[in-house]
Amino acid sequence: NAGVTQTPKFQVLKTGQSMTLQCAQDMNHNSMYWYRQDPGMGLRLIYYSASEGTTDKGEVPNGYNVSRLNKREFSLRLESAAPSQTSVYFCASTNSPSGGNEQFFGPGTRLTVL
Amino acid sequence: GQSLEQPSEVTAVEGAIVQINCTYQTSGFYGLSWYQQHDGGAPTFLSYNALDGLEETGRFSSFLSRSDSYGYLLLQELQMKDSASYFCAVRDRTNSGYSTLTFGKGTMLLVSP
Repeated sequence: NAGVTQTPKFQVLKTGQSMTLQCAQDMNHNSMYWYRQDPGMGLRLIYYSASEGTTDKGEVPNGYNVSRLNKREFSLRLESAAPSQTSVYFCASTNSPSGGNEQFFGPGTRLTVL
Repeated sequence: GQSLEQPSEVTAVEGAIVQINCTYQTSGFYGLSWYQQHDGGAPTFLSYNALDGLEETGRFSSFLSRSDSYGYLLLQELQMKDSASYFCAVRDRTNSGYSTLTFGKGTMLLVSP
């Protein structure tokens, strides 16, 4: 099992460009999450999907959209990137729609917006 | 809203014991989790406390006091590989009825020889 995979690992964008971060899990988990991590700020929840077909905003959703493509895949889209979105993005999943006790994280995508 | 407080940095020597504290304010509290993250890596789950008391897993233990809104992670027999950031996270209820994790800002543990 690969667990949670994310693509790309690194990305550099110019202000105003768009991109989609991909996330997939092979653990048959119901719930999936997108976080961003900035120095000294810990992990902050952007969006989550408690189960296939549902998505909800987290703490910092502005500037982002998500799609739960199927049970395995949960993508994060930046429509018009801004320097404030420079961050490390982590996708996570868990096997309970109530959030579960253990979230499994992908390796992260390091995004720089110039 | 939710808020968590934990020290930004803790230092210790190999073989020692270190305690990382976490205080929280939240509504709809379900439990407190701890995650470890090595530099450049992904967070990995260490422990979860839903009830008061101490949970032990090998060299690591985690404690929760719901009445004090307080918990800690205890690391014993420290090893160099324990140098990492440690995050506490509260599991709490959202308006939609699901639960999510809210993370603290993390404690960087530096273990020296």
